[in-house]
Amino acid sequence: DSGVTQTPKHLITATGQRVTLRCSPRSGDLSVYWYQQSLDQGLQFLIHYYNGEERAKGNILERFSAQQFPDLHSELNLSSLELGDSALYFCASSVTTGQPQETQYFGPGTRLLVL
Amino acid sequence: AQSVTQPDIHITVSEGASLELRCNYSYGATPYLFWYVQSPGQGLQLLLKYFSGDTLVQGIKGFEAEFKRSQSSFNLRKPSVHWSDAAEYFCAVGAKSGGSYIPTFGRGTSLIVHP
Repeated sequence: DSGVTQTPKHLITATGQRVTLRCSPRSGDLSVYWYQQSLDQGLQFLIHYYNGEERAKGNILERFSAQQFPDLHSELNLSSLELGDSALYFCASSVTTGQPQETQYFGPGTRLLVL
Repeated sequence: AQSVTQPDIHITVSEGASLELRCNYSYGATPYLFWYVQSPGQGLQLLLKYFSGDTLVQGIKGFEAEFKRSQSSFNLRKPSVHWSDAAEYFCAVGAKSGGSYIPTFGRGTSLIVHP
């Protein structure tokens, strides 16, 4: 158990809908990262937040957005869902600002299925 | 841009046999290299990482990896595989992105262990 929690574990929805994925980092970790894992694209970085502020953006679609709240939990919002958004979405956390020495601890993921 | 290639999609070994998983990277500067393991239904767990110094890196669960700059490789090894090592293994290179160092992952190698 990494100490990172993600809810829900599974999500089934329809095209065009909007969903929110939630992540709670390990106690004391200030950084949260979101990743998408799909058969087509593999494991891809989406976005990084540090202490409530966006620090880096990867291949995140404009239909997707994220935020980190004062209690450091984070939410990833996916809207106007398409079939191709079906994937496993991981959250990870690290102690501070995302320096290379820091270990990222991954949650178990949320499996999203868009029908 | 940085990239990681894991040439083997699947590898099958017998329990007790030695293991080597291949990883080749492309990155212009000194690379930060990682190996992660993903067990079924789990998030990713860091096995080991290389930043500088000794090119032979020891990790958890009896794994080690050797950085070879001349070959742009960072292969993962284990002298004797256990059935519990069956999992997906990901090599990653960390690159600076905005205010973070974000890993770029390979497509993974699935390890199958025969009794």
